[in-house]
Amino acid sequence: AAGVIQSPRHLIKEKRETATLKCYPIPRHDTVYWYQQGPGQDPQFLISFYEKMQSDKGSIPDRFSAQQFSDYHSELNMSSLELGDSALYFCASSLFRVSYEQYFGPGTRLTVT
Amino acid sequence: SQQGEEDPQALSIQEGENATMNCSYKTSINNLQWYRQNSGRGLVHLILIRSNEREKHSGRLRVTLDTSKKSSSLLITASRAADTASYFCATDEVVKTSGSRLTFGEGTQLTVNP
Repeated sequence: AAGVIQSPRHLIKEKRETATLKCYPIPRHDTVYWYQQGPGQDPQFLISFYEKMQSDKGSIPDRFSAQQFSDYHSELNMSSLELGDSALYFCASSLFRVSYEQYFGPGTRLTVT
Repeated sequence: SQQGEEDPQALSIQEGENATMNCSYKTSINNLQWYRQNSGRGLVHLILIRSNEREKHSGRLRVTLDTSKKSSSLLITASRAADTASYFCATDEVVKTSGSRLTFGEGTQLTVNP
């Protein structure tokens, strides 16, 4: 079965640079979520989209923005990167109309140097 | 984590033994889910239990939910070395109409020794 795809899997950036993370949800899933997991921490919710509209917003810095496109893929844009942004970034998708189960991608490991 | 705590934070057992992990949460919930994460990798969905359910089974997994105590437990029976991973509980709150964020507990690191 198709899973959530994230790219790139690894990304190294310098402070103050920008980064774009991409997420391709499971086909026909209507909701996309972004989570951030710092080293040794639990995942923290950033933002979600339902049918391409932003549906919920968590602890996402103003330097970050996200959107979902007409083909349902989503991008997380991160600007003015800081050392503290180094983390695993997960995308998850769900078919919210049917089930609350969220299926996670493998994550993008972002390292800011 | 702002939502819940898991205990123990780390658990080391021998292959074949049972492993029990507990999770507590603070708010009213709609569902509680358990996820597994191998070191630095993605989160794998294990099981979902609804707020009106008390127990659920899936293979070697047994989950209980006590909404009066705001707690849940995950039991893995006949553990295997391949079960070595971090285990997180995650809750979603009142029903929403357009997606429901998950709030994760702090996780239990399970090590199963061969």
